[in-house]
Amino acid sequence: VQLVESGGGLAQPGGSLRLSCAASGFPFINYEMNWVRQAPGKGLEWVSYIIGSGSTETIIYYADSVKGRFTISRDNAKNSLYLQMNSLRAEDTALYYCVRDSRDYGGQDLWGQGTLVTVSS
Amino acid sequence: SYVLTQPPSVSVAPGQTAILTCGGDNIGSKSVHWYQQKPGQAPLLVIYYDSNRPSGIPERFSGSNSGNTATLTISRVEAGDEADYYCQVWVASGGHSWVFGGGTVLSVL
Repeated sequence: VQLVESGGGLAQPGGSLRLSCAASGFPFINYEMNWVRQAPGKGLEWVSYIIGSGSTETIIYYADSVKGRFTISRDNAKNSLYLQMNSLRAEDTALYYCVRDSRDYGGQDLWGQGTLVTVSS
Repeated sequence: SYVLTQPPSVSVAPGQTAILTCGGDNIGSKSVHWYQQKPGQAPLLVIYYDSNRPSGIPERFSGSNSGNTATLTISRVEAGDEADYYCQVWVASGGHSWVFGGGTVLSVL
C-alpha cells in the first residue's frame, strides 16, 4: 500500500508543472484523494481534494491560495492522481504530498513521501 | 476562514506527560485529527475523531476535544516521540477544506 509522487522540479515564476501520484496496493477508485504541501521549514497546508467514484459528479475543492491556478484530476484506470500547476509563484515552493482520506479511520491515513517543487528565476 | 492555533513548542522530560493543545472557534463541534511528523518523514495519523488511535499507535497517545480546545496527550514520553505535531479539521461551511494547525514542536529534554 503506497503512494508515489513524481513531477516536481524547478520552475520559473509564471511557469507550469504537472505532478503525478501513483497509487498501489488498495482500491484507488474508492478513495477521496488530496494534495497537501509543506514549504521548507514550515507547516502543512492543504491544497486540493477530489472525490472518489461514489458520486455521479466530480467533487473538487481547492485552497484559496491556489484556486484558479491549480487543477486536480484523477485517472482511476491508471490508479493515478494529478495536480496541474499553472502561474506558479515563489510561494508555491514546497514539498507536495499525495494524501489519501481514510475510510477505516478519520483524517488522512496514507501519505506519499512527497515531490519537491521549487519556483525560482 | 477557520483558524487552528497551536503553541509553537512544548518541552517535556522523558517519562513525563506532554499536553499539546489546538485552539479553534467552537472546535468541540468538529472532529479533530492529529498527526506526528518526524524530520524527513511524511506525517503519520496518531489520533482520529478526537480520541481514537489507529492500529499501531501506542496507548500512550490520547486525545480529547471540548469547547474551544482540542488536546493531544502523550503519556510517559519517550525520546522517540520528539516530532512536530499537527491538528486538523474538515471545514464544510463557507467552502470545503481541510485545515491544519500551525504545528507544535515537541522537544524531549
